[in-house]
Amino acid sequence: DGGITQSPKYLFRKEGQNVTLSCEQNLNHDAMYWYRQDPGQGLRLIYYSQIVNDFQKGDIAEGYSVSREKKESFPLTVTSAQKNPTAFYLCASSISARDSPLHFGNGTRLTVT
Amino acid sequence: GENVEQHPSTLSVQEGDSAVIKCTYSDSASNYFPWYKQELGKGPQLIIDIRSNVGEKKDQRIAVTLNKTAKHFSLHITETQPEDSAVYFCAAGGGSYIPTFGRGTSLIVHP
Repeated sequence: DGGITQSPKYLFRKEGQNVTLSCEQNLNHDAMYWYRQDPGQGLRLIYYSQIVNDFQKGDIAEGYSVSREKKESFPLTVTSAQKNPTAFYLCASSISARDSPLHFGNGTRLTVT
Repeated sequence: GENVEQHPSTLSVQEGDSAVIKCTYSDSASNYFPWYKQELGKGPQLIIDIRSNVGEKKDQRIAVTLNKTAKHFSLHITETQPEDSAVYFCAAGGGSYIPTFGRGTSLIVHP
């Protein structure tokens, strides 16, 4: 079955450490996205990529970094510069970046203490 | 950028009643309006979408209406069931920007 896999489901880190969240898709989609979800805040876009080796900042990119070396993979690194990293992180993909449905993974809940 | 407002933030209904969630958007160039349902601990899933060349679309108990002049669109769920309880998100896209999401509506259907 095609889909998006995010791992791990739960992640715990100490403050000051960088952490990388994994996102893999086998839908052959060109576009991939990372969203952050906090209670009452909806889905806020961190980064997106429309094609391999290219990505753009979203609304809340500060303290995060990404890479897109393969079509299937779009890992997100939460750096120590991110002031409030504890959140639920969602990865998504779509055929095109502007007007096609997003397919979401089941998220990674990151807790930083 | 695009700005999407979604109301209400919480909606509580009795089983069998209808539920309506409303969204407004700001970018007149937006032409794609999806709705997503998110169950607890999972990622959102597309439940229905509409494009600007259509005013209404139905799929069994759910329907979406679009008023491009007023820049608003709505999700209608009829004959609600407890399994409809979830968070629903609207989004607007297809214009100059990546699809922008509303803040979500928590729908609670009481048996």
